[in-house]
This record gives sequence, C-alpha cells and structure tokens, in this order.
Amino acid sequence: QKEVEQNSGPLSVPEGAIASLNCTYSDRVSQSFFWYRQYSGKSPELIMSIYSNGDKEDGRFTAQLNKASQYVSLLIRDSQPSDSATYLCAVNGGSQGNLIFGKGTKLSVKP
Amino acid sequence: EAQVTQNPRYLITVTGKKLTVTCSQNMNHEYMSWYRQDPGLGLRQIYYSMNVEVTDKGDVPEGYKVSRKEKRNFPLILESPSPNQTSLYFCASSWNEQFFGPGTRLTVL
Repeated sequence: QKEVEQNSGPLSVPEGAIASLNCTYSDRVSQSFFWYRQYSGKSPELIMSIYSNGDKEDGRFTAQLNKASQYVSLLIRDSQPSDSATYLCAVNGGSQGNLIFGKGTKLSVKP
Repeated sequence: EAQVTQNPRYLITVTGKKLTVTCSQNMNHEYMSWYRQDPGLGLRQIYYSMNVEVTDKGDVPEGYKVSRKEKRNFPLILESPSPNQTSLYFCASSWNEQFFGPGTRLTVL
C-alpha cells in the first residue's frame, strides 16, 4: 500500500514567521509531487508542484524535494492569517491521474 | 473560464436509491478522478480515468461505478447507496496537475 505521511498538526506560527510543512512518501518510483491548500468546506487548491530534487520557489512558497530521503516539504515565508488552512501533500501513485494524498497538516497563523 | 463543475452540490438521499453525481471539465484534460473526503481519513481516490473509455480503480472503489464516454464528462454512480457513503466528494481533472471541482456533499440516510 503506497502511503503519504504528514504531521496532522495543528501547526501554529505567529504572523510573519516561516511555516514549515513536511511530508514523506513510501513509493520510491514516484515522480510528481504536489502541495494543495484547503480551506474548511472548500475544494483543494494547487499551490506548488515539484518534479526534481531541490528547491522550487513561487512567491512566498518554496517546495523542497529529496527523492533519496523520500521527503517533500513546503515553506511559507512571511506567514499571513489568510494562510491558515489545511495543507495536503500529494504524490503520484504510478500512473498519471492516480494521486495519493496525505491526511493534511492544519496550519494556524496567529496575528 | 477554465473549471471543473459538479452537480448536485448537496444531496440527501435514502439507502438503496440510485444516484449519479455529474462532473464536467472544459480544459480538454485527459485525466479525471473522483475522491471522497472523510474526517480523519483525508482524501481518498475512488476511480480515475486516463482517457475516454479507460478507467481504473483507486483506493476505495467498492460501491461506486464510473463511466467516461466523453472526454469532458466523468459521472460517479452509486447504484445502491449506503450510509457509509455519506461523505464529501470531489471530482478533479488534469494533465499533470489536478484541478478540483467545488465538491458534492452527500448524505445517505
């Protein structure tokens, strides 16, 4: 059974701080990795995708991938109260279109 | 506007009464998927489709059927719904990155 593990949180950070979200996955052959943000009662919204080892930056968000350690992370710089949401890590499960999600980390940014 | 639409958004039904949740996308995406989301269990894939007439089971396919007769549509069919299928359902479409519909909240009494 392919698995994606995340710390459920809640992770609480003060406004302006860096929030660090982590994810590990079990399937060594996974090639595509995604971070989604989900507000309560809403649908998941894609924030970042990453396909190769290293860092990928987009505005305040940085995704980091280490395939050797089977580890993906998301850094949110200058965290804002509007970033308070559940963050879902997703990994492709072998065939394209087959995504496996972690259970999500709930982030709370305190003003 | 590029989007994934689902209907209905909310549905309350009774055990055993067949229902269909529709999903449509206007982005010409090859891949489409159905998920259910339950507290403590996260998002779990029910079925996915790689193209017209090509579908495969996800993690929790039991009690569900799908069809992909047209590229843009991917309906989810519950032939005989049961209370344990009460959940929040999402449809998604993709090339590489999946985009989600607004969700359908289903209650089976």
